[in-house]
Amino acid sequence: EAGVTQFPSHSVIEKGQTVTLRCDPISGHDNLYWYRRVMGKEIKFLLHFVKESKQDESGMPNNRFLAERTGGTYSTLKVQPAELEDSGVYFCASSQVQVSEQYFGPGTRLTVT
Amino acid sequence: DQQVKQNSPSLSVQEGRISILNCDYTNSMFDYFLWYKKYPAEGPTFLISISSIKDKNEDGRFTVFLNKSAKHLSLHIVPSQPGDSAVYFCAASAPFQGAQKLVFGQGTRLTINP
Repeated sequence: EAGVTQFPSHSVIEKGQTVTLRCDPISGHDNLYWYRRVMGKEIKFLLHFVKESKQDESGMPNNRFLAERTGGTYSTLKVQPAELEDSGVYFCASSQVQVSEQYFGPGTRLTVT
Repeated sequence: DQQVKQNSPSLSVQEGRISILNCDYTNSMFDYFLWYKKYPAEGPTFLISISSIKDKNEDGRFTVFLNKSAKHLSLHIVPSQPGDSAVYFCAASAPFQGAQKLVFGQGTRLTINP
């Protein structure tokens, strides 16, 4: 069974540019989550999809961040325009049911210069 | 407001001995707890979990203990092996109340010495 995959693995962009991160969850997992780790600090929750619906977006930092999950399959996280403080590692995770472990992808390292 | 705390940034243990990693939480709504292991440049890997109705869960060399009254959990690794060297994250959630997001601690770097 393939795990959670994320693309790209690393992105370097200039302040003010746009970046789109992609996540493919484990097949059959209805729950998809985005997290972020900034500067070696704790991993922080961004948002949670159940199929194509946003269940919880309480962790989204501001309206420069837009997440979508088309058809309840893969998800994208767009940052527009990017700021320096958006630099960090963005993790995607998925789970099959509500009360269960979440499986994480390898992350996308975003560097905004 | 740090709801999940791992107060030891690092821990060094001799190979073959027991490793004990600790985690404290403040939110009494949390009812599901997990430990993840992370290697550099990789995502967190799930290790073991425990729900609040239990006080202990075992899986091979890994055992998690939960003390709800103290709002404390610990991960025991016995015996410790060199491949256990990694950063360990404690995480908590409240899925039984509809909040599935994980709240992470800052992590503890475990080094197993040969």
